[in-house]
Amino acid sequence: DVVMTQSPLSLPVTLGQPASISCTSSQSLVHSDGNTYLNWFQQRPGQSPRRLIYQVSNRDSGVPDRFSGSGSGTVFTLKISRVEAEDLGVYYCMQNTHWPPVTFGPGTKVDIK
Amino acid sequence: DVQLVESGGGLVQPGGSLRLSCEASGFTFSNYYMSWVRQAPGKGLEWVASINQDGSEKYYVDSVEGRFTISRDNAKNSLYLQMNSLRAEDTAVYYCARRTGLNYWGQGTLVTVSS
Repeated sequence: DVVMTQSPLSLPVTLGQPASISCTSSQSLVHSDGNTYLNWFQQRPGQSPRRLIYQVSNRDSGVPDRFSGSGSGTVFTLKISRVEAEDLGVYYCMQNTHWPPVTFGPGTKVDIK
Repeated sequence: DVQLVESGGGLVQPGGSLRLSCEASGFTFSNYYMSWVRQAPGKGLEWVASINQDGSEKYYVDSVEGRFTISRDNAKNSLYLQMNSLRAEDTAVYYCARRTGLNYWGQGTLVTVSS
């Protein structure tokens, strides 16, 4: 199974400042079809998860452009250009290149410094 | 709009059974893989199972293989998870989600396994 790791696990932020979360996989996430199925999810307190980014860098519909994804192979990053109050919550990376199983990272909790 | 509405959660004793349902709307249900994902209290996300469009292919996380069965009824736009031989560690909020990319999620239904 592909193991996903994230750092940091806790990220105190200042509103209006940038933030960055790293995600690494235990093996390359490049699929035989050439795509890389690395996704990012946001879970606000008390809410269901919501996908933000798919295939490394594509924003889902309605996702603000302050969110961006990058990376390749086994190393990936989610960046928030200027953190807003509504961005607080837990962020998960997930791979569905080598499934089953689909695997998630442990989550990064973003809260106010 | 895509909507996924789960139901069927509740309190069940260890060794018991429960059947979860997920009613889909706002998209052509029969065209998509569907998945179940769970989240234990205060913990992270864990993929549980996925099923292909016609129900002929089913995939499970090892910890539920042989105990849980994913199924679907395309005529009713519904996804199901039959859970047998439940254990305390199955206690979680169970979400249904569209595709293995999980681009849409329901609100979840809580399953508590306790005596």
